[in-house]
This record gives sequence, structure tokens and C-alpha cells, in this order.
Amino acid sequence: NAGVTQTPKFQVLKTGQSMTLQCAQDMNHNSMYWYRQDPGMGLRLIYYSASEGTTDKGEVPNGYNVSRLNKREFSLRLESAAPSQTSVYFCATVGQVYNEQFFGPGTRLTVL
Amino acid sequence: AQSVSQHNHHVILSEAASLELGCNYSYGGTVNLFWYVQYPGQHLQLLLKYFSGDPLVKGIKGFEAEFIKSKFSFNLRKPSVQWSDTAEYFCAVNAGDYKLSFGAGTTVTVRA
Repeated sequence: NAGVTQTPKFQVLKTGQSMTLQCAQDMNHNSMYWYRQDPGMGLRLIYYSASEGTTDKGEVPNGYNVSRLNKREFSLRLESAAPSQTSVYFCATVGQVYNEQFFGPGTRLTVL
Repeated sequence: AQSVSQHNHHVILSEAASLELGCNYSYGGTVNLFWYVQYPGQHLQLLLKYFSGDPLVKGIKGFEAEFIKSKFSFNLRKPSVQWSDTAEYFCAVNAGDYKLSFGAGTTVTVRA
């Protein structure tokens, strides 16, 4: 089992460009999350999806959109990238019993 | 809203020294508690978790944590660190809902 996978691993964008970060899981979990990690701030929740077909905003949703394509896949889209969105992005899934989260390897995004 | 505080931003130790990282949270109800570790360039991995029962929990790689309900604390300990324990450590709290709140993280540097 691959667990949680993310693509790409690295990306450099210019201000105003758009891109989509992909996340897929083979753990058969219902809930999936997108976080950003910035130095000294821990992880902050951008969006989450409690189940296929539903999405909700987290702490820092501005500038992002998401799509829960099916149970396995949850994508994060930046429509018009800004330098403030330079960060490391992690996707995670949540176990059904203890709300334990399983993280993907991350995408390091730089916006120039 | 619940919050999670990690007392130390950066800890520097020598090999074989003991490690204790503090974590306090603000939520007054029933909580699930986690410590995650992030090795350089890698994603977050679960070290240990507490849901109920014995407040002293043991995790992987010799780590343990003690839940003290009266102090709203969940401190992480390791009696003797190794160079390979160099990483960033995150405390996280779940209050039974969708959200996992993270502390800002503590960077641990172990000198050989």
C-alpha cells in the first residue's frame, strides 16, 4: 500500500499562475485534508473533506479551492498564486476510529 | 477555539542526554492527543497517541508521553536521545470533531 501520495514534490510558480496539487490515498478513509506548513506556525488547515462529495473550509482557505474527485482523490487548486502561498503543502487522511491522521510526503511550492 | 502550545522552539542536546518537550492545550473536554515527528525533508509521522486509559503512553523509537489532565498537558520524553532523533516534533490535539490542532513545533537538534 502506498498510503497517501502527492504530486508534484516541488513546484515553482510565478505570481498569478495557477496550478493544482494532487493527493491520492489507498487507505479507504473517508476524510481527507489539506494543510500548509510554514516555519514557526505548525500546520494550518486549508480545506477538508469529511466524505466523498463534501468539502469545507478550514483555518486558511483564502486563495484556494478544492475538489474531492472520488473517495481516493482530493485536489487543491491555486487559481492565481501569490508569494504568500509559498509553503509546504501536506495532504492527510483520517482514520475512522481515533481521528488519527496519516500524511503524504508534501509538495514544496515557491511562488516568485 | 482550542489551541496547542509547545514551550520550546528549538532544543539542542548532546547524544545520550534526556529529552522532554512540553505541550499544553486549551480545550476542556475529552481530547485525543498526538505527537508527530518530521525528520528533515520528510512528512509527518505518528510517534504516539493517547485516547484513554493509562496516561503514560509509549510510542516508537523509545519515546513516551504523559497525559496530565489537571494540567492540560501531554509532554513528550525520551531518556537517551540519538543523533537520528534530530527532527521537528509537533504536538496535536483532537477534540472529537474533524479538526486536529497543531502546536507550532519544536526543532530538536542532537549533537554527536
